[in-house]
Amino acid sequence: GQQLNQSPQSMFIQEGEDVSMNCTSSSIFNTWLWYKQDPGEGPVLLIALYKAGELTSNGRLTAQFGITRKDSFLNISASIPSDVGIYFCAGRLGSWGKLQFGAGTQVVVTP
Amino acid sequence: GAGVSQSPRYKVAKRGQDVALRCDPISGHVSLFWYQQALGQGPEFLTYFQNEAQLDKSGLPSDRFFAERPEGSVSTLKIQRTQQEDSAVYLCASSPEDSGGAARKFFGPGTRLTVL
Repeated sequence: GQQLNQSPQSMFIQEGEDVSMNCTSSSIFNTWLWYKQDPGEGPVLLIALYKAGELTSNGRLTAQFGITRKDSFLNISASIPSDVGIYFCAGRLGSWGKLQFGAGTQVVVTP
Repeated sequence: GAGVSQSPRYKVAKRGQDVALRCDPISGHVSLFWYQQALGQGPEFLTYFQNEAQLDKSGLPSDRFFAERPEGSVSTLKIQRTQQEDSAVYLCASSPEDSGGAARKFFGPGTRLTVL
């Protein structure tokens, strides 16, 4: 089946630093999405990407849909303490909006 | 509130018991999904409803898992004869769109099921 690899698994950064994480897939996705999950909560959508090569920003977040449609990255600029959490990439499978998720990147921000 | 709600938030079951997990989607949302999230992993798709029709149940792990959405709003995920490997967080998500647009979805807080 399709494999979706997300890296890094975790990262410890200082407040103010930039963060970068990425996902790669063995197959093509039609849509890439990035979610953030806080403890005890469900994932919250950050950015959705629909076209190969698309670059989209949401505040301090920037994400890109890779040209090959098999990868995507998420950057967080000037991190702040509330950026702490687990970030998931997800690719859309098929016609119904079914998503395949990566294993997540845990971000810890230290003052 | 206006978000997706799930109940109970926590459920402890003895192995072999049946459980029922409830999802109240955002009012008017056409699409409803169930995902299973094991500890330290990303969510994994279980099943999808478009209104009351269950269009995809390919992710249900076994015939012990059953989901319904009889009136196209509230949904229930039932697990019969629970096993320890069923321990996970069960997430419900809804979307106002159908088809591929349902990739944009809103998740509930999940039900954490622990099977002893």
